[in-house]
Amino acid sequence: DSGVTQTPKHLITATGQRVTLRCSPRSGDLSVYWYQQSLDQGLQFLIHYYNGEERAKGNILERFSAQQFPDLHSELNLSSLELGDSALYFCASSPRPGTTQYNEQFFGPGTRLTVL
Amino acid sequence: GENVEQHPSTLSVQEGDSAVIKCTYSDSASNYFPWYKQELGKGPQLIIDIRSNVGEKKDQRIAVTLNKTAKHFSLHITETQPEDSAVYFCAASRGYKLSFGAGTTVTVRA
Repeated sequence: DSGVTQTPKHLITATGQRVTLRCSPRSGDLSVYWYQQSLDQGLQFLIHYYNGEERAKGNILERFSAQQFPDLHSELNLSSLELGDSALYFCASSPRPGTTQYNEQFFGPGTRLTVL
Repeated sequence: GENVEQHPSTLSVQEGDSAVIKCTYSDSASNYFPWYKQELGKGPQLIIDIRSNVGEKKDQRIAVTLNKTAKHFSLHITETQPEDSAVYFCAASRGYKLSFGAGTTVTVRA
């Protein structure tokens, strides 16, 4: 158990709908990352938040957005869903800068999204 | 951006034998190279990592080597056991963004 929690575990929805995925980082970690894992694209970095602020964006679609709240949990919002958005979505967290492990990322169990 | 290539895509080994997975990266500024193990239905688990100021690191049956000149790094698992069966991912970064290889499915035959 990495200490990162994600809810829900599974999500089944229809095309055109909007969903919210939730992540709580490990205690003490300020950084949260979101990744998408699909069969044909592998693990793709989506976005990085540090202490409530967006730090980096990867291959994140405009239909997707994220935020990190003052209690450091993060939400990934996916809208106008398409069949191709079906994937595993992982959240990861890392220790704060200044520690020797600052860029180690610890992954949660993921949310499996199925768009029908 | 960083491009990480990983080989082989599948690897079958006899229990007790060694397994080696190799990765290459494109960005010479990358300085952190973790390896993750992902079991079915679970998230990737960090099993070992190496930073660019080190050439080799070992943790029990697992070792990682890094050749910065050639821009490649490898994972070595010795005395493989059935519980080593999983998908293994290499990654590279020079900050916070990890770029992953495509993964290697390792099967340990009893």
